[in-house]
Amino acid sequence: EIVLTQSPGTLSLSPGERATLSCRASQSVSSSYLAWYQQKPGQAPRLLIYGASSRATGIPDRFSGSGSGTDFTLTISRLEPEDFAVYYCQQYGSSEFTFGPGTKVDIK
Amino acid sequence: QVQLQESGPGLVKPSQTLSLTCTVSGGSISSGSYYWSWIRQPAGKGLEWIGRIYTSGSTNYNPSLKSRVTISVDTSKNQFSLKLSSVTAADTAVYYCARDLRYYDFWSGFDPWGQGTLVTVSS
Repeated sequence: EIVLTQSPGTLSLSPGERATLSCRASQSVSSSYLAWYQQKPGQAPRLLIYGASSRATGIPDRFSGSGSGTDFTLTISRLEPEDFAVYYCQQYGSSEFTFGPGTKVDIK
Repeated sequence: QVQLQESGPGLVKPSQTLSLTCTVSGGSISSGSYYWSWIRQPAGKGLEWIGRIYTSGSTNYNPSLKSRVTISVDTSKNQFSLKLSSVTAADTAVYYCARDLRYYDFWSGFDPWGQGTLVTVSS
């Protein structure tokens, strides 16, 4: 099983600031099979990024994904009030999926 | 636009079997190279993938739950279902269904998701 570790656990920032979220895998992950999700309280997760760097339909361009191998990054260029949420990375490998523990982005 | 909706009992007794259904609307569950998954999330915790089914009926399960999980599809009703046996309080969670697409080296991520349904295991 590939274990995903996300850091930091909590990121406290102000609107307008840049957020950089990390996802590290215990072994190499194909970039094709790395996704990021946003989840707000009481809501289902929302797909942001698939294939490590492709934005899902309707996702603003302030969200970007990058990385390869074992290190992946989600960047939010300028935080909007609606971006304060929990973010999860996910990988697919060997016919199973795993999620990271999440990074909470909260208002400083 | 495809939408997913979970349904089933909100309360299950310990040692019994949890049964949920996900109804697909706005498209056929049989069309395309789609996979249909179940994911769960205990209150205040992270996401755990339970398993998935392809339209052909082939399945993949989380190894940690495999011995207790069965996922099936009913194409005539445009639904797929989850059964989780011998439940305990640790199985209390919000259960989501979701769709993904895999075609050669392309993978779409999980999109869309259902809104989720809370299942509590308690006597």
